[in-house]
Amino acid sequence: GEDVEQSLFLSVREGDSSVINCTYTDSSSTYLYWYKQEPGAGLQLLTYIFSNMDMKQDQRLTVLLNKKDKHLSLRIADTQTGDSAIYFCADISGNTGKLIFGQGTTLQVKP
Amino acid sequence: NAGVTQTPKFQVLKTGQSMTLQCAQDMNHEYMSWYRQDPGMGLRLIHYSVGAGITDQGEVPNGYNVSRSTTEDFPLRLLSAAPSQTSVYFCATIQSGANVLTFGAGSRLTVL
Repeated sequence: GEDVEQSLFLSVREGDSSVINCTYTDSSSTYLYWYKQEPGAGLQLLTYIFSNMDMKQDQRLTVLLNKKDKHLSLRIADTQTGDSAIYFCADISGNTGKLIFGQGTTLQVKP
Repeated sequence: NAGVTQTPKFQVLKTGQSMTLQCAQDMNHEYMSWYRQDPGMGLRLIHYSVGAGITDQGEVPNGYNVSRSTTEDFPLRLLSAAPSQTSVYFCATIQSGANVLTFGAGSRLTVL
């Protein structure tokens, strides 16, 4: 079945760039997503990319998609302490609205 | 426009008790789904529905029942709660042809 994998933890210093990586297996993925979850809160959609794009930039966020290798990354420039959260990669395929999530990467930002 | 409303936000059950987590949406979205979130495991799909009267199993359906008698509501039932069902549950909806899910705020369930 479909699978999405992420590393579980990333620690960076404030002001540095963060890169969170994700791999997926579903060849028919149409959209890939990055969600952010702060402690005790629900999921907030950060950004998404259509599968025929290589890159999408949105302010401090850059999403890179390597469809050949089924690899997705999220780069956060000038990482701030408010960026500390769990980041989930997810993909959606078909017409069922089924979203398959990775395990989540906990981003720790040190001052 | 309330979006996706989940109730209750918190619930404590004893093993063997039954309960229903409610999910209601006012956006006329066709697709609704239930996820559970456990530490280190991300979100896993329990059940989903592509429209009123239609439901299907997700990745971890055992121990849960759903029904979709209206477009607006998609309740998740635990018939005999087990400690393994201690989790945070999220309801999500999406419009047919759209590409962004809308999540509820979550329901935290503890089974003792």
